[in-house]
Amino acid sequence: DTGVSQDPRHKITKRGQNVTFRCDPISEHNRLYWYRQTLGQGPEFLTYFQNEAQLEKSRLLSDRFSAERPKGSFSTLEIQRTEQGDSAMYLCAGQGETRDNEQFFGPGTRLTVL
Amino acid sequence: DQQVKQNSPSLSVQEGRISILNCDYTNSMFDYFLWYKKYPAEGPTFLISISSIKDKNEDGRFTVFLNKSAKHLSLHIVPSQPGDSAVYFCASGGGNQFYFGTGTSLTVIP
Repeated sequence: DTGVSQDPRHKITKRGQNVTFRCDPISEHNRLYWYRQTLGQGPEFLTYFQNEAQLEKSRLLSDRFSAERPKGSFSTLEIQRTEQGDSAMYLCAGQGETRDNEQFFGPGTRLTVL
Repeated sequence: DQQVKQNSPSLSVQEGRISILNCDYTNSMFDYFLWYKKYPAEGPTFLISISSIKDKNEDGRFTVFLNKSAKHLSLHIVPSQPGDSAVYFCASGGGNQFYFGTGTSLTVIP
């Protein structure tokens, strides 16, 4: 158990609906990452926060995607007007000031868009 | 464009023998390299890492080797145990962004 939780674990939605996912890292994680993973692929970087500041966004993050980390603790990832291609596992990972640069992943939220 | 590649989707090894998982990267600016293990229905968990200033890092049964000239790293597990059966991802990068390979599914046969 990494101490990073994600909610919900599974989400099924109809195309065109909006969905929001939440990630709760542990308090020591000043950095927070969102990734997307599809079948047969590794995690793909979406965005990164240093405390409450969103410092990097991938080209994968279309304008339908928005992420926030309002108080530098939990984070939310919202997808508006979902498309079938958004179906994937969405992972968040926390990172503190560690020697090994390791990230601590949550269990993920599996999104299915019908 | 895949910046990190794991060319073997799967590997089967007999219990007690050595498992060798390979990873290639393209960007010579990458300065940190990590291995993660993933079980079904869980997020990846950190296993071992190495920085670009080293060529070997060891932690118990796990050793990571880095060959910067070849842009290649490998993970050695010895002796392999059935509990090591999982998907292994390598990740390379530096600063704020890491790129993951597509994973190698390791099966250790009792």
